[in-house]
Amino acid sequence: ETGVTQTPRHLVMGMTNKKSLKCEQHLGHNAMYWYKQSAKKPLELMFVYNFKEQTENNSVPSRFSPECPNSSHLFLHLHTLQPEDSALYLCASSQAQSWTDSHNYGYTFGSGTRLTVV
Amino acid sequence: DQQVKQNSPSLSVQEGRISILNCDYTNSMFDYFLWYKKYPAEGPTFLISISSIKDKNEDGRFTVFLNKSAKHLSLHIVPSQPGDSAVYFCAASAFGNQFYFGTGTSLTVIP
Repeated sequence: ETGVTQTPRHLVMGMTNKKSLKCEQHLGHNAMYWYKQSAKKPLELMFVYNFKEQTENNSVPSRFSPECPNSSHLFLHLHTLQPEDSALYLCASSQAQSWTDSHNYGYTFGSGTRLTVV
Repeated sequence: DQQVKQNSPSLSVQEGRISILNCDYTNSMFDYFLWYKKYPAEGPTFLISISSIKDKNEDGRFTVFLNKSAKHLSLHIVPSQPGDSAVYFCAASAFGNQFYFGTGTSLTVIP
């Protein structure tokens, strides 16, 4: 499968649960990103990984824990979330090797995971 | 504080007419701008970009205009087609920095 694949597509979890979101890309991209889209808010950057190293953490609460075991896979581990964390979580990848580079390459987004915290 | 704003949440246009989607930004350091298109249940896909050294970039039916003094950019779609119905996001960045996205405008092209 080509492009950026996210699983699951939908997730409902309780506040005491632990779950993980998965993202996979087969584009040979070096950079991978987690974005959050809440209702009527812009896309918010959460984490950036470049060559498996985390290069950006946008003041995200510790109940969100990213993991990048290799350049093709990115996880977002979730624990003790709050109802306000309900949102669409989008993964993206890019050929960019730095923010400077990102001007030359766009992002390829996955379809997202619709998360509902109850 | 939103640095990129799309003040029209929705827009309806007749097929064959022009669609104009607007985007305003506050950071005068932004020098690169993107438009993304998003269909339901899919991720955003890159549509067209423009850098601050230009004031217009055209790709087929899609043209992006940049007015740096007004901190405003717009996406023109001519002629509009029903398949253009989607949510359109603009995004902006300052050189060497992350992209900031708007909240999106939902375009409906009526056959």
